Amino acid sequence: QVQLVESGGGLVKPGGSLRLSCAASGFTFGDYYMSWIRQAPGKGPEWVSYISSSGRTIYYADSVKGRFTVSRDNAKNSLFLQMNSLRAEDTAVYYCARDQRILDIWGQGTMVTVSS
Amino acid sequence: QSVLTQPPSVSGAPGQRVTISCTGSSSNIGAGYDVHWYQQTPGTAPKLLIYGNINRPSGVPDRFSGSASGTSASLAITGLQAEDEADYYCQSYDSSLSGSVFGGGTKLTVL
Repeated sequence: QVQLVESGGGLVKPGGSLRLSCAASGFTFGDYYMSWIRQAPGKGPEWVSYISSSGRTIYYADSVKGRFTVSRDNAKNSLFLQMNSLRAEDTAVYYCARDQRILDIWGQGTMVTVSS
Repeated sequence: QSVLTQPPSVSGAPGQRVTISCTGSSSNIGAGYDVHWYQQTPGTAPKLLIYGNINRPSGVPDRFSGSASGTSASLAITGLQAEDEADYYCQSYDSSLSGSVFGGGTKLTVL
C-alpha cells in the first residue's frame, strides 16, 4: 500500500546536526513533489520545505532557510532533510508528506528533540 | 501565530452540527488557492479529510463537508459522533511564502 516511513530523529544538542530520511513505497515516488512538515508539541503543523519531483525546485520556510537542506534520491524512493545549527525551537515531530498542494499521504513522523 | 486563523475549540452534543472556520488572506485562500482539511487524533499523523475545498477522499463519511468563499473556508460536521473528537486543521498554499500554510487547529469536543 501507499506508505511513507520517516527515520533519523533523536536527541541532539543545540548547534548540532541531524539527517532525516523518508522511505516511500506503493507509488511512483519520482512522479511526485514532496514536503517536510513539522509539528511542535501542542502546536499545529508547520510547513518546512518542499522539493519538486526532479529535485530542481526547492523552497524553505524562513524559519529554517540556510540551516536545513532537502534532497531526494528517486532511484531509491527516498527523501532526506539535513538539519544543521539546530535550535530548541526546532523540537518537533517531523513528517514527510506527498505534496500535490494537497498533503494526501503522510508518514508516521519522527521526533526531533533539541536540548542540552 | 499561524497564517490561517481557526477558533481554538468548538463543541457539540452527539447528533448535533458544528462548523469550524478558517480565515486567510489575499495571498492564500483569497488568491483562489484551494483549502484542505485534516483530522488528527493524539499520537497520529494528520489525515486528509477534505480536499479542494469541498471534496471527500474515499472512506470519509458524508457527514463531513467543506466550503470556501473569499478569504475564508469552513468545515461542517453533522450528526456528531464520539469518534469525531479530534483536532482539525485547515491548509492552503501561500504565494508569498511559496509553500503550504496551516491554521492553528481547532479542538472538537463531543459533549
